[in-house]
Amino acid sequence: EPEVTQTPSHQVTQMGQEVILRCVPISNHLYFYWYRQILGQKVEFLVSFYNNEISEKSEIFDDQFSVERPDGSNFTLKIRSTKLEDSAMYFCASRREGGDTEAFFGQGTRLTVV
Amino acid sequence: GDSVTQMEGPVTLSEEAFLTINCTYTATGYPSLFWYVQYPGEGLQLLLKATKADDKGSNKGFEATYRKETTSFHLEKGSVQVSDSAVYFCALIFRNSGNTPLVFGKGTRLSVIA
Repeated sequence: EPEVTQTPSHQVTQMGQEVILRCVPISNHLYFYWYRQILGQKVEFLVSFYNNEISEKSEIFDDQFSVERPDGSNFTLKIRSTKLEDSAMYFCASRREGGDTEAFFGQGTRLTVV
Repeated sequence: GDSVTQMEGPVTLSEEAFLTINCTYTATGYPSLFWYVQYPGEGLQLLLKATKADDKGSNKGFEATYRKETTSFHLEKGSVQVSDSAVYFCALIFRNSGNTPLVFGKGTRLSVIA
């Protein structure tokens, strides 16, 4: 069964460093998302991406964040200068199309900023 | 704005007990509704969904019915197992929404003890 894959599963970084979280969405999906989940809290939307551009972004997704689809398979989230409060589980998701189709999520990347 | 409200956890049940996790939503129009499950150390998996009023989603013994009149989508299972221990998230999305993201509730942690 096709799945969304994320790497790495866990990343530890120093405050102020740049990190890139990687995702490979399901191959025939068109819509891509990043969410984050601070430990024990709700799943928060960060950004959606379609047709090589951002469709929508939340207040969390400020200038420190960027997304890119550098080739036909990868979808990356970059945090330019990490802060302690960026520590969270980051989930990538993809959907086949719009409307009411469900989103498929990756296993997540646990980011720890020290 | 659109929102999802779930009952506070954690919920602790004995094996074979009946489970209800309440979920209500606030939205303009008629969204599609989902339950996602997050097992320990894993990502989010779709458990079930319903796309219109009075639809019943079901999977793995879990059920939820889309109730337009009460704007609810409560999750139920007649007899829980230890393996059902997880965090359960209620979510919504609008049909024909294009790339609008899922909106999640805060999640309800379920612990089932033998």
